[in-house]
Amino acid sequence: SQTIHQWPATLVQPVGSPLSLECTVEGTSNPNLYWYRQAAGRGLQLLFYSVGIGQISSEVPQNLSASRPQDRQFILSSKKLLLSDSGFYLCAWSVLGLFSGANVLTFGAGSRLTVL
Amino acid sequence: RKEVEQDPGPFNVPEGATVAFNCTYSNSASQSFFWYRQDCRKEPKLLMSVYSSGNEDGRFTAQLNRASQYISLLIRDSKLSDSATYLCVVRIPVGGTSYGKLTFGQGTILTVHP
Repeated sequence: SQTIHQWPATLVQPVGSPLSLECTVEGTSNPNLYWYRQAAGRGLQLLFYSVGIGQISSEVPQNLSASRPQDRQFILSSKKLLLSDSGFYLCAWSVLGLFSGANVLTFGAGSRLTVL
Repeated sequence: RKEVEQDPGPFNVPEGATVAFNCTYSNSASQSFFWYRQDCRKEPKLLMSVYSSGNEDGRFTAQLNRASQYISLLIRDSKLSDSATYLCVVRIPVGGTSYGKLTFGQGTILTVHP
């Protein structure tokens, strides 16, 4: 069966510090991978998605970047965090593509980031 | 107007009650529809898809009203374990294409009490 791992689960970072969140998927090949952010009281916002190694699409301009160095690995990064980067970051994967009518997402457990 | 809008609640209901949530969407060309459930400080998980003719899964019934552009989730015989945030998810077309992207509502909080 497929599993998705995401870490760290919780982190507190000072403004201006770097960030690296990692996500890996097991039990499947060539998954579609996503990074979402959920701010308090708001819906999930799609940040990045990837259909393959090295292929990253950014949904909103921001202080963050994503990379996919391996088929089942997705990394979210920042060189200098802002206060507004605080939130709950969720990695997700799907078999079908972002635009597929039958696309169903499976989420990782999330990483809760507090920027102070 | 938000693309997908939900009443944030909270809805506080006793065990055994029936509760219904609505979710409205702004784009009449929207395609697939889903309900996800998110427990406190956890990740969202798919609860059920919403089909045009309506569908039921145990105590849960989902319906789609395209004319009025809303979907609904009905929970019968509420259990304490139903307490969670329920997220409405709509596939909204991108530009003039036939493709759509999943867009999440902000969620409706449900608390079921003894």
